[in-house]
Parts: sequence; C-alpha cells; structure tokens
Amino acid sequence: KAGVTQTPRYLIKTRGQQVTLSCSPISGHRSVSWYQQTPGQGLQFLFEYFSETQRNKGNFPGRFSGRQFSNSRSEMNVSTLELGDSALYLCASSWGDSEAFFGQGTRLTVV
Amino acid sequence: QKEVEQNSGPLSVPEGAIASLNCTYSDRGSQSFFWYRQYSGKSPELIMSIYSNGDKEDGRFTAQLNKASQYVSLLIRDSQPSDSATYLCAVNKAAGNKLTFGGGTRVLVKP
Repeated sequence: KAGVTQTPRYLIKTRGQQVTLSCSPISGHRSVSWYQQTPGQGLQFLFEYFSETQRNKGNFPGRFSGRQFSNSRSEMNVSTLELGDSALYLCASSWGDSEAFFGQGTRLTVV
Repeated sequence: QKEVEQNSGPLSVPEGAIASLNCTYSDRGSQSFFWYRQYSGKSPELIMSIYSNGDKEDGRFTAQLNKASQYVSLLIRDSQPSDSATYLCAVNKAAGNKLTFGGGTRVLVKP
C-alpha cells in the first residue's frame, strides 16, 4: 500500500513569490492535514481538510491556504513568501479521526 | 506554559537498557495521544497511539496514559542504536485531526 506522497521534495523560492505544494494521501484516507516544521518552533499545525472541507485551522496568517479535491489529494499554497517561511512542510493523512501518517515532506527554502 | 511539554534531552541510554520518555499536556479535553519517531532529516513516523488510561504494548514499545495527571509516557525496552532519534509526543484535542506536538526528546543509544 502506497504511503503519503508529497511533491516536490525540495523547492527554492524568492521572497515575494508564491508556492504550491501537493499531497496525495494513503488510498482510502479522507483527512489530510498540513504542518510546518522549523528548528525554532517545532511542528505546528496549519490546517486539516476532510471531504473537501476545511475542518480545522491553525494560527497561521491568511497567506497560507489549502484545498482538497474530490479524490482527497490536497494542495497547500503560500503567497508572498517571506524568509521565515523556510521550513519543512509535512502532510499527514488519516482514515478518520485516528492515527495520522506523514509524507516525506517538502523542504522549502526562501531566499 | 506550552500545551505539550517534553524534556528536550538528549536522553543517553546504553544499548539494551530501557529508555523512558515523558510528556505532559495542559488541556484536559485531550482525547488521543501519539508517539512519533523522527530521524534527522526525515519525516515523523508513528510508533504508538493510545486513547484510554493504562498501558499499551507493541513490541519493544509501551505507552502509558494517565489522564488524571495529564501525562503520557513511552518506554523503549532493549534499546538499540537504531532507536537513536527524536521522539515526538502529539495530542489531539479537537474533533478531526489537529495534532499539537511537543518539542521532542532526543534519544541517544550508545553501543
């Protein structure tokens, strides 16, 4: 059974640009959550989508947005990138309100 | 006070010994609890989940939950050098999947 797949694995962007990250959940999982991991702040919750609806939201500015498609695949978008957005972005999928399994992550560097 | 607290370590244990990791959380409404292992440069890997008071064993790992005292612990028996990693405690207090993570405990198993 394939795991959670995130693309791309690495990205380098310039301040002010925008970026879109993609996540394909484990087959059958309908919940997709996004997290940001930095050395200073650790792992922080961004948002969760379930059946194409945002179910939970973390404390991040509106520059961070996401969506989920009917096949449960999810995208996360960050607009007007700032240096502080450099981080490992992780996607996790769950069957329901249960165990979450993480993808390999996308390493975003903003220069 | 952080919502989920862990000792950052490093916790140094000799090979074959028991590693004991602790985690405390502040929200009494928390419903589900997880331990993840994260190797340097990799994404978190789920190793244990626990939902009710008491112990749960899986191979060399035992998770313990005490909701009255608001702590969850992880024991690693017969520690191996391959267990050297950062262990993250995560708590879910909301409907859906919105994990709050502790800062992680770094474990070093010395041969």
